[in-house]
Amino acid sequence: KQEVTQIPAALSVPEGENLVLNCSFTDSAIYNLQWFRQDPGKGLTSLLLIQSSQREQTSGRLNASLDKSSGRSTLYIAASQPGDSATYLCAVLTGANNLFFGTGTRLTVIP
Amino acid sequence: ETGVTQSPTHLIKTRGQQVTLRCSSQSGHNTVSWYQQALGQGPQFIFQYYREEENGRGNFPPRFSGLQFPNYSSELNVNALELDDSALYLCASSFSAGGHNEQFFGPGTRLTVL
Repeated sequence: KQEVTQIPAALSVPEGENLVLNCSFTDSAIYNLQWFRQDPGKGLTSLLLIQSSQREQTSGRLNASLDKSSGRSTLYIAASQPGDSATYLCAVLTGANNLFFGTGTRLTVIP
Repeated sequence: ETGVTQSPTHLIKTRGQQVTLRCSSQSGHNTVSWYQQALGQGPQFIFQYYREEENGRGNFPPRFSGLQFPNYSSELNVNALELDDSALYLCASSFSAGGHNEQFFGPGTRLTVL
């Protein structure tokens, strides 16, 4: 059974710092990996999607990498801002066509 | 292009009652998936509907049931509500033609069971 783990569970950084969020998954038979942002009490906003054949995707200050063979992904956020404060979730899409989510990393960027 | 919408936004029920949550899929999408997110946890897959048929189910009891309509909108029904059913319920739509495509999420329905 697929299991997705995110480390750390919570992270607090001063504004302007670069940071890395980690995601690992146990079964490498995935179709894609997606990073989401979730603000308190809200739905999910998709940030980046990496197909299983890709190594990385970039959008603005965000860069996500995927190493399928080792079951790992990282989300790199450059020059963090207070508006980046949120919970970040990673999820993998399996052959059963459903997403398995991690429990998220709660990020706080201190002005 | 209209995104995924869900109704209602919030709902309060008492234990033992029944509830129906609704989801309108994004234009052009034919697949709807439902997820339950308990407080402090990641979303968990409940089930998926493709062309009005259930197309996969997670580890949820039969009192969780669903429907998909010809316009690809969907309902999630939960019978005999329990306190642990309190959660954010998310639906996601996608276009599937036998493949595995990106899912787009709605804003969710917050269900509180007292």
